Amino acid sequence: DTGVSQDPRHKITKRGQNVTFRCDPISEHNRLYWYRQTLGQGPEFLTYFQNEAQLEKSRLLSDRFSAERPKGSFSTLEIQRTEQGDSAMYLCASSLGWGEGTEAFFGQGTRLTVV
Amino acid sequence: AQSVTQLGSHVSVSEGALVLLRCNYSSSVPPYLFWYVQYPNQGLQLLLKYTTGATLVKGINGFEAEFKKSETSFHLTKPSAHMSDAAEYFCAVSEGSGGSNYKLTFGKGTLLTVNP
Repeated sequence: DTGVSQDPRHKITKRGQNVTFRCDPISEHNRLYWYRQTLGQGPEFLTYFQNEAQLEKSRLLSDRFSAERPKGSFSTLEIQRTEQGDSAMYLCASSLGWGEGTEAFFGQGTRLTVV
Repeated sequence: AQSVTQLGSHVSVSEGALVLLRCNYSSSVPPYLFWYVQYPNQGLQLLLKYTTGATLVKGINGFEAEFKKSETSFHLTKPSAHMSDAAEYFCAVSEGSGGSNYKLTFGKGTLLTVNP
């Protein structure tokens, strides 16, 4: 078990470009979450998948953002026409179900800088 | 709606001293409560969590926290700080029995510095 893996770890892009991040959850985990963390803030919930179904999207996820989990395994988060305000750490987490006995495991994150 | 307030964005202690990181929460339903630690350029690691049952929860690395419903608090403590405890700590809440109980709401974090 290698934990939750995110790629790339760092991304610098010019404003207006599109970027895509990948998250590989722990293999048997059916739930996958994306969070965004800006400087000096705690992580904020973006979206959640159960298997391949995207069940909730935060209002923080504007139309420029899209997330997929095509086969219920890895997930991608795409940001179109990036803006400087998109600069943040994007964290992925996964869990096996959710409840008293479960835990969400976080990846190391992808740090995005928009210049 | 849920919210978390962490009192003190930066706490500095001497090695061997008591660590106390404060967290107050707001939740319309009985909450699940969590403490996570984040080392530089790393993801979040769960220290401990409260769901139901015993209100004093013990976690990893000698940390513990006590759920006090009357005070809506979940403060994190460690009797004796170690240099390796230096990191940022986040308190989080989720709806315990609500339909969105998977969604964590985090505080802004407290940076712990440990002085030799």
